[in-house]
Amino acid sequence: GAVVSQHPSWVICKSGTSVKIECRSLDFQATTMFWYRQFPKQSLMLMATSNEGSKATYEQGVEKDKFLINHASLTLSTLTVTSAHPEDSSFYICSARPGRIAEKLFFGSGTQLSVL
Amino acid sequence: RKEVEQDPGPFNVPEGATVAFNCTYSNSASQSFFWYRQDCRKEPKLLMSVYSSGNEDGRFTAQLNRASQYISLLIRDSKLSDSATYLCVVNNWGNQFYFGTGTSLTVIP
Repeated sequence: GAVVSQHPSWVICKSGTSVKIECRSLDFQATTMFWYRQFPKQSLMLMATSNEGSKATYEQGVEKDKFLINHASLTLSTLTVTSAHPEDSSFYICSARPGRIAEKLFFGSGTQLSVL
Repeated sequence: RKEVEQDPGPFNVPEGATVAFNCTYSNSASQSFFWYRQDCRKEPKLLMSVYSSGNEDGRFTAQLNRASQYISLLIRDSKLSDSATYLCVVNNWGNQFYFGTGTSLTVIP
């Protein structure tokens, strides 16, 4: 199946710093990528939908100025958590779909962010 | 009403048991349905797509009931390695994917 690479896997940072997470589709072009956050023992929460070459669409309650998303190419989307705080500590996962009509989602391996 | 509702469990079953999960969805126009498996601190991995005709993959059987708007997953002869969280996912159209909260399964020796 399609492969989505996400890194880093783990990040520990100080409060106030910014963290960038990369999501790459390795063997397909992803016109759309999704970013999720997952707190312990909770379900995935969609944060935003990233479309190549256009602005991301954020879900209600997600601050677009805090969670910057860039989808500059068909194989790369980045999520930057700006001025991270301890409450931003979470598991962040990206997913991608090959093409506009493809059904399945393929997930990156996730990034565990811990803000001290 | 949530787009997708799923019993969070937990389900604790002995090895060899048969266990079934259900998931209901609210939008009758939903198009595609999936079961994903997620291990702790890992990404979800596609287990099965779900079709109206039902589909089977080894010990796993998935079914879709459009009239009642639910999908099911049946696991036969449970193995210890089946312990995980099982997520149902519904695609309405375009980019709209909705996730259930996940059902936790623990298979006990």
